[in-house]
Amino acid sequence: EVQLVQSGAEVKKPGESLKISCQVSGYSFTTYWIGWVRQMPGKGLEWMTMIYPGDSDTRYSPSFQGQVTISVDKSISTAYLYWSSLKASDTAIYYCARRGSGMKAWDYWGQGSLVTVSS
Amino acid sequence: QSALTQPASVSGSPGQSITISCSGTSSDVGGYNYVSWYQQHPGKAPKLMIFDVSNRPSGVSTRFSGSKSGNTASLTISGLQAEDEADYYCTSYSSSTTLYVFGTGTKVTVL
Repeated sequence: EVQLVQSGAEVKKPGESLKISCQVSGYSFTTYWIGWVRQMPGKGLEWMTMIYPGDSDTRYSPSFQGQVTISVDKSISTAYLYWSSLKASDTAIYYCARRGSGMKAWDYWGQGSLVTVSS
Repeated sequence: QSALTQPASVSGSPGQSITISCSGTSSDVGGYNYVSWYQQHPGKAPKLMIFDVSNRPSGVSTRFSGSKSGNTASLTISGLQAEDEADYYCTSYSSSTTLYVFGTGTKVTVL
């Protein structure tokens, strides 16, 4: 069974760093793209970034380039999203998702990680 | 990179059919058959309903169908049911970013 399990809720202060995770199971981690999506409170979905774990090919949305860093640890089948300096506007739910095989769509999703940034 | 344009809300009575549009450009919706649709219930993760314009994943009701004409894709829900009440988002691959872009989202209300 394919599963994407994300790290838990975080409460941080502005300026702090944060890394959230997405651990996958049930499939070959290195052969499927993993993406991250932001959903701000009461708002729509936004693509942030994606990575191909096999060779670490990485893409960023212009809106998020330089604001976050995506990475993977193949040894534990885990993808990460990292902020070096959080802002209040980073408060949101973050979802990871897998791009399916034979399709250009995202077929499995994590449960979401709530990040709250407040002084 | 601008979001794809969807109507903010669409409503229908049980049993009726509704259609949600998703308008983009030749760099995204119009340029590729890589449009997919997601259903999101409150407090839940998105769920894939249609991939590559018109294909249904295993387990998704046949009441959901997708199509595309030019720069506009559409999701049709036939035989509307109470459980279909949710937010719906389209997404497409975009050559301008080599990433994906979401639609603005549509709230479907079952009257």
